[in-house]
Amino acid sequence: DTAVSQTPKYLVTQMGNDKSIKCEQNLGHDTMYWYKQDSKKFLKIMFSYNNKELIINETVPNRFSPKSPDKAHLNLHINSLELGDSAVYFCASSQYQGSTGELFFGEGSRLTVL
Amino acid sequence: AQSVTQPDIHITVSEGASLELRCNYSYGATPYLFWYVQSPGQGLQLLLKYFSGDTLVQGIKGFEAEFKRSQSSFNLRKPSVHWSDAAEYFCAVGAGFSGGGADGLTFGKGTHLIIQP
Repeated sequence: DTAVSQTPKYLVTQMGNDKSIKCEQNLGHDTMYWYKQDSKKFLKIMFSYNNKELIINETVPNRFSPKSPDKAHLNLHINSLELGDSAVYFCASSQYQGSTGELFFGEGSRLTVL
Repeated sequence: AQSVTQPDIHITVSEGASLELRCNYSYGATPYLFWYVQSPGQGLQLLLKYFSGDTLVQGIKGFEAEFKRSQSSFNLRKPSVHWSDAAEYFCAVGAGFSGGGADGLTFGKGTHLIIQP
């Protein structure tokens, strides 16, 4: 049983389109995150949600909007896609708010904007 | 704010040889430190973590890391590498439980490990 699952794994789309990536965790964790990994493998946090409340928004463009229908899901919606949005997006979860415990990562969603 | 530096972008090691990957952190208080491994096309998997106590921590797959406060370092070691260890390795630091606000982990830029036969 996959602990953190993301769909789709690959996404190829045109500039200007809107797309969503879904994430689900079955670990019962309180906090979920979205990280962006660029072409140089650099990981940067985008958002975190704790009990459906947005905690962090690290200067991410407002074209990106996280949506959490419940504690187990944190979806990422992206409007008006740009070439620079091409990256691998990782969903992760942790048991507690803050960073005292490990993050459990999904396998990533590779977004390519043409 | 905390930060992590991994000085080596690439490291090449012969199979069976020992390995040390360097990590330096910047954080004012006692940090929470982690090492993650990312195999090609995969997500990140935790190798080990340090919160407090014994400064030498053991992880999965035969890895260990040593926390040295005086050097602000948390280097990862393995006595004998296997071809399957070829991957990207990330050091990360956390600010710990803050109660009110929160911070996710801050990652270094990664070290790409190449194993020579």
